Amino acid sequence: GQQLNQSPQSMFIQEGEDVSMNCTSSSIFNTWLWYKQDPGEGPVLLIALYKAGELTSNGRLTAQFGITRKDSFLNISASIPSDVGIYFCAGQLRGGADGLTFGKGTHLIIQP
Amino acid sequence: NAGVTQTPKFRILKIGQSMTLQCTQDMNHNYMYWYRQDPGMGLKLIYYSVGAGITDKGEVPNGYNVSRSTTEDFPLRLELAAPSQTSVYFCASSSLRTGGDGYTFGSGTRLTVV
Repeated sequence: GQQLNQSPQSMFIQEGEDVSMNCTSSSIFNTWLWYKQDPGEGPVLLIALYKAGELTSNGRLTAQFGITRKDSFLNISASIPSDVGIYFCAGQLRGGADGLTFGKGTHLIIQP
Repeated sequence: NAGVTQTPKFRILKIGQSMTLQCTQDMNHNYMYWYRQDPGMGLKLIYYSVGAGITDKGEVPNGYNVSRSTTEDFPLRLELAAPSQTSVYFCASSSLRTGGDGYTFGSGTRLTVV
């Protein structure tokens, strides 16, 4: 099956710093998604990307769908304590069917 | 709006025991999914359903069974629990049109098999 390589595995940053994480795949996806998971909860959608080259923002978050359709990145600007959590990228081949393929996650830790 | 509700939240099973993880959604979504999440890993698809009466295997279906008798409910059955099934299980649902961006996840069931 498809595999997503997500990096970095973990990040230790100071409050206020910018964060960047990315995902690459050996397969082409039609949709790229970024989720955040807090402890003891299910993932919550942050940003969805539908077209190659698309750049989308959601507040302090910005994500891009790579031109080759095999990669995506997520940036968080001016990090705050509530940004702590695990961020997952996910790819989807076609809408609604077959489920999502997830990366292994980036664990974001913010030091005050 | 309850969204996706999973029960129980926690469970400890002995090897060889069986149990059913319950999942129900009140959003009239056609698609429902079961994922498992192992420590330090992303979610892996176990089974999914595109509508009542229809189920299909995902990436890691061995040791599990599902049924979809109604639109709302999608229970996951473990017949002979094994330590390798220790994991956090997430149920999700989505509407026919929106796909991944319309996913709603439950809050998970943490299962330990000893």
